[in-house]
Amino acid sequence: NAGVMQNPRHLVRRRGQEARLRCSPMKGHSHVYWYRQLPEEGLKFMVYLQKENIIDESGMPKERFSAEFPKEGPSILRIQQVVRGDSAAYFCASSPPDGQVYEQYFGPGTRLTVT
Amino acid sequence: GIQVEQSPPDLILQEGANSTLRCNFSDSVNNLQWFHQNPWGQLINLFYIPSGTKQNGRLSATTVATERYSLLYISSSQTTDSGVYFCAADGGGSYIPTFGRGTSLIVHP
Repeated sequence: NAGVMQNPRHLVRRRGQEARLRCSPMKGHSHVYWYRQLPEEGLKFMVYLQKENIIDESGMPKERFSAEFPKEGPSILRIQQVVRGDSAAYFCASSPPDGQVYEQYFGPGTRLTVT
Repeated sequence: GIQVEQSPPDLILQEGANSTLRCNFSDSVNNLQWFHQNPWGQLINLFYIPSGTKQNGRLSATTVATERYSLLYISSSQTTDSGVYFCAADGGGSYIPTFGRGTSLIVHP
């Protein structure tokens, strides 16, 4: 029973490059959340998606960041033209489609370093 | 959205000691979870507990929704309990979870 999977686990990009982070939810889960964690801080919500729909992107910067969760395949968080301030751990969580219960299960995270 | 505050921010214990971590929230909650982030960064689910009391081995949690707080109890602490404990809750009209800043726990042998 595989948990939430994220890849890559570590990603190094130079300023100006693009970063693509992938998240495969737990089997049977149709809700995906992306969070960012800066050192010594808690997790900050970025975006909430269901298959083929962005439900809430209120925590995502308006520029350079985008997210998708296609009908087939993993959810992708894309950061274009990365800057040093984008260096952080990015976590994905998934939850089951069961009414009002949104218990979340987290992946291992992707640690992005921008040089 | 809902505000989540955790206390204490830091906690240092000797192995075998007991501790209580607190999570206060500003509005009625739909969902509340406790997580342990281990020293390798992995977030581990401890409890899904929007109300009531649950126990799992040496850990237990209680949420008193009417008084807007949740408590996590760790008994007979072990060095492997070290890490950061987060409370996350959603409510106040939103289903987007808000995380507290965490309690950093160090357990010395």
